[in-house]
Amino acid sequence: TQLLEQSPQFLSIQEGENLTVYCNSSSVFSSLQWYRQEPGEGPVLLVTVVTGGEVKKLKRLTFQFGDARKDSSLHITAAQPGDTGLYLCATPNAGGTSYGKLTFGQGTILTVHP
Amino acid sequence: NAGVMQNPRHLVRRRGQEARLRCSPMKGHSHVYWYRQLPEEGLKFMVYLQKENIIDESGMPKERFSAEFPKEGPSILRIQQVVRGDSAAYFCASSLGQGGWQYFGPGTRLTVT
Repeated sequence: TQLLEQSPQFLSIQEGENLTVYCNSSSVFSSLQWYRQEPGEGPVLLVTVVTGGEVKKLKRLTFQFGDARKDSSLHITAAQPGDTGLYLCATPNAGGTSYGKLTFGQGTILTVHP
Repeated sequence: NAGVMQNPRHLVRRRGQEARLRCSPMKGHSHVYWYRQLPEEGLKFMVYLQKENIIDESGMPKERFSAEFPKEGPSILRIQQVVRGDSAAYFCASSLGQGGWQYFGPGTRLTVT
């Protein structure tokens, strides 16, 4: 079983639509990170959320950490073709390590059609 | 300031050959992590190294895989006697300190024929 469950697995939408991607777990985390990975490249960190209930905005992207620190969501407003990619949530230090080893969800593949 | 560099970007090996993947961390970073991305499994941690030390190799397959990060030069992930199941994208990430933000390289795509 996956520590982090992401949904949906695939999302195909038209330019201008809004969307939300979810990252859920039964475990409590000290922090959650969101990455975007474009084809042929490595993941790029978008944001880290650390406080229950925290909301962070990055232009058209809004990230939220659940009050109980077990889940997170990523909302994109007015999606653009440039938002196409694989969105990954991850948590460092699952299992009690202290050096930042990342555990990833399986990701959401987003395709935004012009 | 150059980012994390990995080479080669693409590597083709026949079954039974050796694969050597290199990772040069960002300038000043002395912590390196290797991850493997398989289509059906997602991105999985393999090993964490500091200069000249392996700190955690809990994600490494028990046989044929090894990693090093020498005092001088890049970190190397070595796969001996490759099999088709080793075909994947291998990413390294580096951080400035223990637990710091990780910056990922572009990956090496290994194909075993």
